[in-house]
Amino acid sequence: GDSVTQMEGPVTLSEEAFLTINCTYTATGYPSLFWYVQYPGEGLQLLLKATKADDKGSNKGFEATYRKETTSFHLEKGSVQVSDSAVYFCALSVNDYKLSFGAGTTVTVRA
Amino acid sequence: GAGVSQSPRYKVAKRGQDVALRCDPISGHVSLFWYQQALGQGPEFLTYFQNEAQLDKSGLPSDRFFAERPEGSVSTLKIQRTQQEDSAVYLCASSLAGQAQETQYFGPGTRLLVL
Repeated sequence: GDSVTQMEGPVTLSEEAFLTINCTYTATGYPSLFWYVQYPGEGLQLLLKATKADDKGSNKGFEATYRKETTSFHLEKGSVQVSDSAVYFCALSVNDYKLSFGAGTTVTVRA
Repeated sequence: GAGVSQSPRYKVAKRGQDVALRCDPISGHVSLFWYQQALGQGPEFLTYFQNEAQLDKSGLPSDRFFAERPEGSVSTLKIQRTQQEDSAVYLCASSLAGQAQETQYFGPGTRLLVL
């Protein structure tokens, strides 16, 4: 079935460090890919998305490129802040409405 | 504007009790979703409504789980005869029309603990 595998956490970084969270997918069709973020005490919210191969999603300094050849959608940010501390979820949707999520990666940024 | 709201935020139930979890979607959103998130895991799809029609309930784990959206707005997820394995966060999400690329907006969740 359709699934997402993402890098296990937790990840701890210092402020201004570079962040990468790996995400790979398995899908029978052509999925749309998403990164959702859950800040402490808040609900899941969409961070960015890409709907076709080679698309780049970006938001709040985060970027991810839809790579069909490697079935990947890695999340990157060049310089993290303490406020980026959260749980990050990679997700996909294949030609329908269901979101299939990865297990989540907890990121902690130290001042 | 107001986002998706859920109530209660926390629920403790004794094993065997019935519980009802409420979701108020964003006004005007046609599609409504329920997900179950176990501790340390990503959300898992439970069921999907388009207006009042339940179009997909393939993710409901057993016949003890029942969801409804009778007027196409508020939805209730009911769990009968709760078991300890039902302990999880139950998330509700809504979207404008339920298309694959569309953003789903999530509520804060209801954390259910079954003792």
